[in-house]
Amino acid sequence: DAGVTQSPTHLIKTRGQHVTLRCSPISGHKSVSWYQQVLGQGPQFIFQYYEKEERGRGNFPDRFSARQFPNYSSELNVNALLLGDSALYLCASSLAGTGAFTDTQYFGPGTRLTVL
Amino acid sequence: EDKVVQSPLSLVVHEGDTVTLNCSYEVTNFRSLLWYKQEKKAPTFLFMLTSSGIEKKSGRLSSILDKKELFSILNITATQTGDSAVYLCAVGKTYNNNDMRFGAGTRLTVKP
Repeated sequence: DAGVTQSPTHLIKTRGQHVTLRCSPISGHKSVSWYQQVLGQGPQFIFQYYEKEERGRGNFPDRFSARQFPNYSSELNVNALLLGDSALYLCASSLAGTGAFTDTQYFGPGTRLTVL
Repeated sequence: EDKVVQSPLSLVVHEGDTVTLNCSYEVTNFRSLLWYKQEKKAPTFLFMLTSSGIEKKSGRLSSILDKKELFSILNITATQTGDSAVYLCAVGKTYNNNDMRFGAGTRLTVKP
């Protein structure tokens, strides 16, 4: 079975532009979470979506938004890009939404965003 | 504010050595502690710990949680060059285990 897939793998944008990142979860997984990982740090939680509804939101500005589609894939959108948005954006999928005790998140390979 | 602190930040050992990685946390609404291995991009799941004192093992890796002292350790015995990676510790919240707080990671380098 395919794991979590993300596209594109790399992206270069300039300040002020907008970007859309895409994620396809593992088949059968209904929950998708997005994380931002700045170089040298651990991932930071941005959003979680389950059954097309937002279930969790981290401490990120409104320039960040996301949505989940009927096939459980997801998009992360970032508007008015800043230099500080340069990071690896990771998507993770899991079976359940609220996270049963046995629920585990599996990560995709990430999208490396560079903002110039 | 939630804190997850890993130590050491980096570690260099030789093949065959045993290493212990540490993770301490101060997190509200604790549900579980998870360990991930990140080699290039995608973190890969190692362990999920929810109860104190119960060791989880997978081959040469093992981990244990102490919920009283708020820490966990990850042990790797007989290290191999393929163990070289960043090891991430994360805490899942009671209201949503998918909302995880990560530490900065420990970069392990295993030399031949």
